[in-house]
Amino acid sequence: DAGVTQSPTHLIKTRGQQVTLRCSPISGHKSVSWYQQVLGQGPQFIFQYYEKEERGRGNFPDRFSARQFPNYSSELNVNALLLGDSALYLCASSFVLQGNQPQHFGDGTRLSIL
Amino acid sequence: GENVEQHPSTLSVQEGDSAVIKCTYSDSASNYFPWYKQELGKRPQLIIDIRSNVGEKKDQRIAVTLNKTAKHFSLHITETQPEDSAVYFCAASRGGTSYGKLTFGQGTILTVHP
Repeated sequence: DAGVTQSPTHLIKTRGQQVTLRCSPISGHKSVSWYQQVLGQGPQFIFQYYEKEERGRGNFPDRFSARQFPNYSSELNVNALLLGDSALYLCASSFVLQGNQPQHFGDGTRLSIL
Repeated sequence: GENVEQHPSTLSVQEGDSAVIKCTYSDSASNYFPWYKQELGKRPQLIIDIRSNVGEKKDQRIAVTLNKTAKHFSLHITETQPEDSAVYFCAASRGGTSYGKLTFGQGTILTVHP
């Protein structure tokens, strides 16, 4: 069975541009979460979606938005990119919403802002 | 919100020795504690997890212990091998009906010397 898949793997943008990252969860998983991992740090929670609704939001500005589709795949959008948005963006899926269930990560999208 | 502190930041051991990584958390409502292994350029991989109704869990050479009173949990790796070299992250989240936000520690770079 395929794990969590993310696209693209790498992306280079300039300041002020907009970017869309994509995630497909493990088959049967209904919850998708997004994390930002800056080099040398642990992942930071951005959003969780379950059944196409936002269920949790981390401490990120409104420039970050996301959505989940009927097939449970998800997109993360970041507007007005800043240099500080350079990071590895990770998607994780889990079977259910609850926080005490395993979350499995994809390989991430490496976003570089010039 | 939750805060997770992880120590040490780097750990160097000889092959065959044991390695111990410790984490403390601040939110007494947290009840799910996973550990992830992240090799360079790869996804965080869930290696073991523990829920608050259990004090210890073991899976072959890996074990995790939890002390709810002191709000700390630890990862123990016995008979270390060079392929155990990676960055290890602890995390904590609330369970129940709460959404699945994982709060990560800062990571421990484990190096196992042959």
